Amino acid sequence: DVKVTQSSRYLVKRTGEKVFLECVQDMDHENMFWYRQDPGLGLRLIYFSYDVKMKEKGDIPEGYSVSREKKERFSLILESASTNQTSMYLCASSGSYNSPLHFGNGTRLTVT
Amino acid sequence: AQKITQTQPGMFVQEKEAVTLDCTYDTSDPSYGLFWYKQPSSGEMIFLIYQGSYDQQNATEGRYSLNFQKARKSANLVISASQLGDSAMYFCGSGGNNRLAFGKGNQVVVIP
Repeated sequence: DVKVTQSSRYLVKRTGEKVFLECVQDMDHENMFWYRQDPGLGLRLIYFSYDVKMKEKGDIPEGYSVSREKKERFSLILESASTNQTSMYLCASSGSYNSPLHFGNGTRLTVT
Repeated sequence: AQKITQTQPGMFVQEKEAVTLDCTYDTSDPSYGLFWYKQPSSGEMIFLIYQGSYDQQNATEGRYSLNFQKARKSANLVISASQLGDSAMYFCGSGGNNRLAFGKGNQVVVIP
């Protein structure tokens, strides 16, 4: 069974801090994704990566960056956290073009 | 960017009845996939069903079926014989070029 693991379930950070959200998958998947989920807005794609060191902007990349140095790990970075980045963050991976995504359990980030 | 529309308000469904969740999508990709995910109150995203844009037959997975109408850009989910455990948020997604976009979700509550 595919496992996507997000390093923290809950995180509280202060405004202006640099925040790292880590995600690891164990199925050698090519594609990895970061979404944020907010009530009434559904899931919105922040960034995705289809290969090591490759990344592409999603629909809401502002205020975020990503890193993919190894195939199994995809990190989301908030360079300077702001209160409007308080949200649930979901990492996902998939094995091939248009194949279903496997999601992690999410990280609920609160920025105060 | 892909655009997914789920406009139904929250729904109450009698146990053992069927329910249809509407989804329309807008994409310029010639080849794409359509997905439905379930998110119960525990928060995990559970993959339900997949339809490829070139598939001739509508996809079915147990009690789930996808009513795919390509010309109308519609991918409705039908859940037959609802169970109490079907109470959840349901998200429609559409993917092309390795990026998957989601709608805002439909809330379903199954009542005994």
